[in-house]
Amino acid sequence: DVKVTQSSRYLVKRTGEKVFLECVQDMDHENMFWYRQDPGLGLRLIYFSYDVKMKEKGDIPEGYSVSREKKERFSLILESASTNQTSMYLCASSLRDISYEQYFGPGTRLTVT
Amino acid sequence: AQSVSQHNHHVILSEAASLELGCNYSYGGTVNLFWYVQYPGQHLQLLLKYFSGDPLVKGIKGFEAEFIKSKFSFNLRKPSVQWSDTAEYFCAVISSASKIIFGSGTRLSIRP
Repeated sequence: DVKVTQSSRYLVKRTGEKVFLECVQDMDHENMFWYRQDPGLGLRLIYFSYDVKMKEKGDIPEGYSVSREKKERFSLILESASTNQTSMYLCASSLRDISYEQYFGPGTRLTVT
Repeated sequence: AQSVSQHNHHVILSEAASLELGCNYSYGGTVNLFWYVQYPGQHLQLLLKYFSGDPLVKGIKGFEAEFIKSKFSFNLRKPSVQWSDTAEYFCAVISSASKIIFGSGTRLSIRP
């Protein structure tokens, strides 16, 4: 059974802080994704990674960076958090072919004050 | 630009009513189509998917969806909903360019 875990369910940070969101998957999936979920906007892709140390920008990469040093772990970094980054962040993983089903983590609700 | 539209933002039904949630996409090439569901407090999970073949796809919990290429649509249906179907439903499209786009979601509320 695929399991995708995220380091925190809820996080509160101050404007300007550096924020790390961690995601770990246990199914040896090649692809990992970071989305943000906002009411009325659905899921928007921030970044994805198809291999260790490889990354590609999604639709809304501004203000974010990512790191994938190990296959099972994909980190999302907010270099200087801003209030408009208050959102639900979802991590997902899938097999190499992007056409395969994505498996999602429980999400991290980040509030930036 | 590629897009996915879910025009119903919030649907309210009584138990045993029939359900149809709309999903339209804009992309002229080959696509893979998905419906994901997020039950309250739970992870997003796959409901059903279409890659090729029979355009009528059956998923979990009695859901089905029909791919109509000429209408660029992939509507989700269920003949008789239950209170436990209360959730948010997301349509997603992956194009041959390997770009995944999710719709804005439809919140389904079922009155017991």
